[in-house]
Amino acid sequence: GQNIDQPTEMTATEGAIVQINCTYQTSGFNGLFWYQQHAGEAPTFLSYNVLDGLEEKGRFSSFLSRSKGYSYLLLKELQMKDSASYLCAVRDRDTGFQKLVFGTGTRLLVSP
Amino acid sequence: DAGVTQSPTHLIKTRGQQVTLRCSPKSGHDTVSWYQQALGQGPQFIFQYYEEEERQRGNFPDRFSGHQFPNYSSELNVNALLLGDSALYLCASSLYGTSGTDTQYFGPGTRLTVL
Repeated sequence: GQNIDQPTEMTATEGAIVQINCTYQTSGFNGLFWYQQHAGEAPTFLSYNVLDGLEEKGRFSSFLSRSKGYSYLLLKELQMKDSASYLCAVRDRDTGFQKLVFGTGTRLLVSP
Repeated sequence: DAGVTQSPTHLIKTRGQQVTLRCSPKSGHDTVSWYQQALGQGPQFIFQYYEEEERQRGNFPDRFSGHQFPNYSSELNVNALLLGDSALYLCASSLYGTSGTDTQYFGPGTRLTVL
């Protein structure tokens, strides 16, 4: 089966650091993605991990441990505009087709 | 470079009606996937079209059907609408055979409300 778990909601203050965790159990694995989604808008790509370790991209970093079925997204120097939902998604096995299995998303509220 | 476009933006229907949603993929992409996103949930995969055929399907009833045209654009049809079909419908495009950071690009979505 496919199961991806994330916390439902997190709060943080402007300028702080926040870590959003994601655990997954999927029948196939060909990469893990993090998307940002503002209310009523489409998800936008943030990061990608397929090998174990940390990928850094500006204020955002993402970590993957395939043996533990675990990933996290780290957001530094939080800004008000970072208030959004963060979606963890696993790409299914490599069939040539891109199919993503999403978690329910973590709603992050950044306060002044 | 045009991104993924969807129409209409918003739609209101009543129970039992039928609806058609449309999607044009990002330039250069040949595969279209459809997702349903209920309020407060993550997107759920409906199905995927490539070379005008349905290639993969999620756990959705036959009331959900689709089509892909030779220009790669796609339609999602939902028959006998239920209140539970109210959601944001997202179209995502990609290029067959790509991997790595190449991922799906999402359109702005169609907000369907069933009364």
